[in-house]
Amino acid sequence: QVTLRESGPALVKPTQTLTLTCTFSGFSLSTSGMCVSWIRQPPGKALEWLALIDWDDDKYYSTSLKTRLTISKDTSKNQVVLTMTNMDPVDTATYYCARIPTGSPYWYFDLWGRGTLVTVSS
Amino acid sequence: DIQLTQSPSFLSASVGDRVTITCRASQGISSYLAWYQQKPGKAPKLLIYAASTLQSGVPSRFSGSGSGTEFTLTISSLQPEDFATYYCQQLNRWTFGQGTKVEIK
Repeated sequence: QVTLRESGPALVKPTQTLTLTCTFSGFSLSTSGMCVSWIRQPPGKALEWLALIDWDDDKYYSTSLKTRLTISKDTSKNQVVLTMTNMDPVDTATYYCARIPTGSPYWYFDLWGRGTLVTVSS
Repeated sequence: DIQLTQSPSFLSASVGDRVTITCRASQGISSYLAWYQQKPGKAPKLLIYAASTLQSGVPSRFSGSGSGTEFTLTISSLQPEDFATYYCQQLNRWTFGQGTKVEIK
């Protein structure tokens, strides 16, 4: 059974750095074609794609946020970590991680974690 | 960056209705498009990828079509469990449309 679970602080202060961890099971990020991505959703608003890392450690970032984001993986721990610097109240959102399955040229998100709500406030 | 525009943003419909949602891309994206359903407080669920391929386990009343810059998601006969928000996503750089909320008439 494939599962993903996001973890991290529920509250961060403005200007701080946010670190989120996606812990997954049922697949390996060392498998050719496999990827994990981060997406966020401010309350009542649309989904926003943030970053993606693939099995070969290639990394992709949202154009508008790339200066603030870093994505990394620890294959041995089945984890993907996202850091976002200089947090602001507008970054308040539910943050999701999702899997991109291997075997397709279309990199769609077939399974998602439940999300973790991060509030940015002093 | 490629922008996706969904229409309508809000849709009121009755059980049994045929519903169509449109997603337009600012540049051609071939068939690199997916559709997701999201219910309140829940993570999105994949419905369709490659513009028209139904994800395993998704009811056949859902269908997708289109290529290039114009795409549609159709629900052939709306069921009570289909009232939700629907998002399209382009699969080149993974940006999403702004969503279409389907509510009960």
